[in-house]
Amino acid sequence: EVQMVESGGGLVQPGGSLRLSCAASGFLVTNMYMNWVRQAPGKGLEWVSIIYLGGDTYYAESVKGRFTISRDNSKNTVYLQMDLLRSDDTAVYYCASDGDPNNAGYWGRGTRVTVSS
Amino acid sequence: DVVMTQFPLSLPVTLGQPASISCRSSRNLAHSDGNTYLHWFHQRPGQSPRRLIYKVSKRDSGVPDRFSGSGSGTDFTLKISRVEAEDVGTYYCLQGTYWPTFGQGTKVEIK
Repeated sequence: EVQMVESGGGLVQPGGSLRLSCAASGFLVTNMYMNWVRQAPGKGLEWVSIIYLGGDTYYAESVKGRFTISRDNSKNTVYLQMDLLRSDDTAVYYCASDGDPNNAGYWGRGTRVTVSS
Repeated sequence: DVVMTQFPLSLPVTLGQPASISCRSSRNLAHSDGNTYLHWFHQRPGQSPRRLIYKVSKRDSGVPDRFSGSGSGTDFTLKISRVEAEDVGTYYCLQGTYWPTFGQGTKVEIK
């Protein structure tokens, strides 16, 4: 069964950093396109970042230069390093995966990030 | 970015009656590989989104056949043939032909 569990969220001050983790089971993260999608409180969904099968990475303009997606094949885990956090980064961050790029057939339960002083 | 516009944004429905949600793209979503990467998701309050339909009209495993998707180019529709109580929540379209973007969401509630 495909399963993803996010962790690492919490309260951080503006300008701070957090690293989110997405631990996968039931499949290999090297065999799926892995994504981070976020949802601000009471708002819609925003695609944040993608890591392709070959390791290429892509980002939304709103996070480019501040966020970094990576994966650890030995731990079957994908990460989102978030630096220079701003209040508008406050959201639930979901890990999502699919066999196709730019799609999300499988979702984790999300981890909440709050950026506030 | 490609802008996805959904309407209506709020949809009161009667149990057992049909419902329809539209999604319009600012660009043609037909990809050069022959596919159209338009997908539909359902999100209940406090839950993660769940994909219902992918590539316009293909139902995901376990999705009831009362859900159907159609459309092409820039105009797409999600239809529920007979609304059930479990269908309440917010529905989102997603285009994956370009950098992925979601519609604003359509909130479905029972009258």
